[in-house]
Amino acid sequence: QKEVEQDPGPLSVPEGAIVSLNCTYSNSAFQYFMWYRQYSRKGPELLMYTYSSGNKEDGRFTAQVDKSSKYISLFIRDSQPSDSATYLCAMSRGGGADGLTFGKGTHLIIQP
Amino acid sequence: GAGVSQSPSNKVTEKGKDVELRCDPISGHTALYWYRQSLGQGLEFLIYFQGNSAPDKSGLPSDRFSAERTGGSVSTLTIQRTQQEDSAVYLCASSFNSPYNTGELFFGEGSRLTVL
Repeated sequence: QKEVEQDPGPLSVPEGAIVSLNCTYSNSAFQYFMWYRQYSRKGPELLMYTYSSGNKEDGRFTAQVDKSSKYISLFIRDSQPSDSATYLCAMSRGGGADGLTFGKGTHLIIQP
Repeated sequence: GAGVSQSPSNKVTEKGKDVELRCDPISGHTALYWYRQSLGQGLEFLIYFQGNSAPDKSGLPSDRFSAERTGGSVSTLTIQRTQQEDSAVYLCASSFNSPYNTGELFFGEGSRLTVL
């Protein structure tokens, strides 16, 4: 079993829909959870960051972490064509020098 | 520069040749990472530098891969005797001190390597 599982998609939804992106993980030591967004032929950029369990909201984006279920989600409200990208979840134990463990990324397409 | 700069942006080489990929991190960023991104495989960690030292080389896939960083700034990833399975996008990222309190790595646009 991979440490981080993420459905690669593609996920295609109409403009204005609510999008739900998810990752599951197996390592209970992960404490820091992030979502990166990657446009085609660009490097990933940090979108959301959360520590431990709970919700965090930033504009149209909400990140949710459920450590008891080892499950994290990213919700996008009022989705726009400009949200079309690959979304990668990432997580780390923290305090070490082992980098982040990334999911494979979900390719999201918002249809105008 | 304003962001992480990588060169070349594209490299096509023949099997068996050596290649060098360069990363120029954001000024002042002490941590530097190399990742590899293959189609359908996600981001694969290769190596991490703190300053000029590499405390974690665990992700390098074989002894054909090596990396160095000089002056706490520019890093070079070298792949010797390239194989077709080395074809991928090689991404460099940098951060100030440790990323573990913010989770933010600043990525370059990558070097796309194609081995024929």
